[in-house]
Amino acid sequence: GNSVTQMEGPVTLSEEAFLTINCTYTATGYPSLFWYVQYPGEGLQLLLKATKADDKGSNKGFEATYRKETTSFHLEKGSVQVSDSAVYFCAPGKTSYDKVIFGPGTSLSVIP
Amino acid sequence: DGGITQSPKYLFRKEGQNVTLSCEQNLNHDAMYWYRQDPGQGLRLIYYSQIVNDFQKGDIAEGYSVSREKKESFPLTVTSAQKNPTAFYLCASSSGQATETQYFGPGTRLLVL
Repeated sequence: GNSVTQMEGPVTLSEEAFLTINCTYTATGYPSLFWYVQYPGEGLQLLLKATKADDKGSNKGFEATYRKETTSFHLEKGSVQVSDSAVYFCAPGKTSYDKVIFGPGTSLSVIP
Repeated sequence: DGGITQSPKYLFRKEGQNVTLSCEQNLNHDAMYWYRQDPGQGLRLIYYSQIVNDFQKGDIAEGYSVSREKKESFPLTVTSAQKNPTAFYLCASSSGQATETQYFGPGTRLLVL
């Protein structure tokens, strides 16, 4: 079945620093790829997604590119803000063979 | 407004008691899911349903039960057989298509007295 490996946290950055959170996956087939974000005490919400190879998902200054050759979907942001402090989950989507799975999450703290 | 709601926000369970967590969606989604989240952990799938009157066990179904009598509703019962129920429970729904997003409720935090 599908599996996902995500960068260990917690990650602490200063405001305006560059962010990368690595995500690699194994899957049977070519799933859509998602990044979800969870703010403290809340449910998850979609941050961005990509549905096929070489697609770039983007939202709120975050970007991730679907790399089929390396089975990766790394999350990046050029300049983080305090309000970006949250937990980020990489999630390969459903295929004909398997259901959606979620990575373990990476906690990000941005300090002023 | 379309969305997914969970109630209650906090729930307390006494030993040996069954408790039911509510999940309702008005997004007209076919698929619904229940996840468990422990502190500092990712999400683990408890049960999911792709259509009314049908559901499947996820990775950690023991000690839990569900029903799907209506498209809008997917309640989760935490039974007395679940010996370590303290966790944050998240309900989600989606259209069921492979490219589609899961929409999450705000969660229910279950605590044992």
